[in-house]
Amino acid sequence: AQTVTQSQPEMSVQEAETVTLSCTYDTSESNYYLFWYKQPPSRQMILVIRQEAYKQQNATENRFSVNFQKAAKSFSLKISDSQLGDTAMYFCAFMKQPSGTYKYIFGTGTRLKVLA
Amino acid sequence: DTEVTQTPKHLVMGMTNKKSLKCEQHMGHRAMYWYKQKAKKPPELMFVYSYEKLSINESVPSRFSPECPNSSLLNLHLHALQPEDSALYLCASSQVDLGFSNQPQHFGDGTRLSIL
Repeated sequence: AQTVTQSQPEMSVQEAETVTLSCTYDTSESNYYLFWYKQPPSRQMILVIRQEAYKQQNATENRFSVNFQKAAKSFSLKISDSQLGDTAMYFCAFMKQPSGTYKYIFGTGTRLKVLA
Repeated sequence: DTEVTQTPKHLVMGMTNKKSLKCEQHMGHRAMYWYKQKAKKPPELMFVYSYEKLSINESVPSRFSPECPNSSLLNLHLHALQPEDSALYLCASSQVDLGFSNQPQHFGDGTRLSIL
């Protein structure tokens, strides 16, 4: 069974600094997709970044980038130049390419607080 | 502004009541999802509709009954709920392109449900 683990329940970072959130997962699949979602307090969840497992190149989206290590089953999120608006719960998510039972699994989340 | 609209934002109901949660999107997405999220926990997938047909039912109790009357609307009918069903219920939508596994989901703000 697929599992997604975020080992850092809470983290804090100074404004303008860089922070890395970790995510590991367990799967026997070769085709899958990984996502980072952000859920600010009392606000809707939004997509931060997406990575296709078949792509070796790490995805980047402005200040957000990932370090995808397929062999190690690791998918960390790096936030550069942290801003106060980055304060949120961050969820790593695994989605399996449909070839059987569909799975969309979220990790337990990392609560990030950006300090002024 | 959220592109996925959920109503109501808050709902308090007794265990014998019947109520419905509504979700609407006009992005032309053909996959729609219901999630349940308890406080400080990740979202748990409940149902997935693809082209208005139920694709995934994650063993949800029958007191939750989804309905997708058209491509823009998704309802969740509630009946005889239990106190442990109190949670934030999130609706999401996505494109369906060679399957929906690789598509980012757009989330609504959620309905906060309290069962007395």
